Amino acid sequence: EVVLTQSPLSLPVTLGQPASISCKSSQSLAHGNGNTYLSWFQQRPGQSPRRLLYKVSKRDSGVPDRFSGSGSGTDFTLTISRAEAEDVGFYYCMQGSHWPPLTFGGGTKVEIK
Amino acid sequence: EVELVESGGGLVQPGGSLRLSCVVSGFTLSDYHMDWVRQAPGKGLEWVGRSRNRADSYTTDYAASVQGRFTLSRDDSKNSLYLQMNSLKSEDTAMYYCGRDLSGSNQAYLGQGTLVTVSS
Repeated sequence: EVVLTQSPLSLPVTLGQPASISCKSSQSLAHGNGNTYLSWFQQRPGQSPRRLLYKVSKRDSGVPDRFSGSGSGTDFTLTISRAEAEDVGFYYCMQGSHWPPLTFGGGTKVEIK
Repeated sequence: EVELVESGGGLVQPGGSLRLSCVVSGFTLSDYHMDWVRQAPGKGLEWVGRSRNRADSYTTDYAASVQGRFTLSRDDSKNSLYLQMNSLKSEDTAMYYCGRDLSGSNQAYLGQGTLVTVSS
């Protein structure tokens, strides 16, 4: 089973400033078909999770372009270019390259300083 | 508009059973893998299982923690996905979310969730 480790656990951010979350995998997430199935989910307080990015860097429909993803192999990063108040919540990475099972990282709590 | 609506949650005693439903609209259910994800109170997300699409012969996959106790099924004619949960344990207490192909390249969606509480 692939283990995803996120850091930091908690991330205080300043409005308008950039913020980054790391996700490290216990094994390479490069799939044999050439794709890397690493996604990022956002969960705002009291809401269901919502996927932001898939295949490392592709944004889902309606996701603001201040959210971007990067990385390869075992190291991945979610970046918020300019944090906004509505970005408060938990963020989870998830891998779908080696399933079953799909696995999630432990989560990162983003809050405003 | 795509929508997923879960139902069937509630309070059940340890060892009991519960059947969750997820009714979908806005897309053809048979075309998609469908996932169940759960979230224990104050905890992170845990994948529970997947019902693969028709092209993958509706194969089902499960997390080790529920293998042998939970069963996924679907009725495409009713636009519905089901999660039969047997031999429930206190550690199964969680909000259960139905999701459309959470790892795929098409837009992913999750429902609002249904709460399962296992307690005596």
